[in-house]
Amino acid sequence: AQSVTQLDSHVSVSEGTPVLLRCNYSSSYSPSLFWYVQHPNKGLQLLLKYTSAATLVKGINGFEAEFKKSETSFHLTKPSAHMSDAAEYFCVVSSLGNQFYFGTGTSLTVIP
Amino acid sequence: EPEVTQTPSHQVTQMGQEVILRCVPISNHLYFYWYRQILGQKVEFLVSFYNNEISEKSEIFDDQFSVERPDGSNFTLKIRSTKLEDSAMYFCASSDWWAANEQFFGPGTRLTVL
Repeated sequence: AQSVTQLDSHVSVSEGTPVLLRCNYSSSYSPSLFWYVQHPNKGLQLLLKYTSAATLVKGINGFEAEFKKSETSFHLTKPSAHMSDAAEYFCVVSSLGNQFYFGTGTSLTVIP
Repeated sequence: EPEVTQTPSHQVTQMGQEVILRCVPISNHLYFYWYRQILGQKVEFLVSFYNNEISEKSEIFDDQFSVERPDGSNFTLKIRSTKLEDSAMYFCASSDWWAANEQFFGPGTRLTVL
């Protein structure tokens, strides 16, 4: 069975400081993992995805994530937060049948 | 840039009424999905659809739900007799390939059942 745990429901950082959003997954086989972002009143937008290629994945807007099989983690990072990064972030694992299993989301606040 | 659209953005209905939520997937995509998010809870898979039939469905997707692709562009979710617990945000998504590929999501329809 597949599942995702986002360890923080809310993260608050100052503008210009690093961002770390944590995600742990459970999967009975080699998973595909995604990070999506949702800005208010907008759809879910893909930030990046891991599909068994390089373990360090670079996405849009300076975000990246590292797949660590030994730790079953796929944490999202960004070196320097921008005000426009304030949003809800979802970690997602995909099943063989292409069902997406979502984490509960992490709300990121960026303080000016 | 192509995007998934959904209408209406907000639907209010009385318990027991039928509702149809509409989605226009990206035009060259072949796989379509519905998800829902009850307020304060995680996004949950409802159903996937390919080649005019359901590929997978979750246990949430009971006989009250149905999906249809009535023409070449629309993809609809029908709830026959709404219940209070159907109140949620419903997201449509589409993808151009199966398994492990990016799904493109619409902005959602907020359904409120009174």
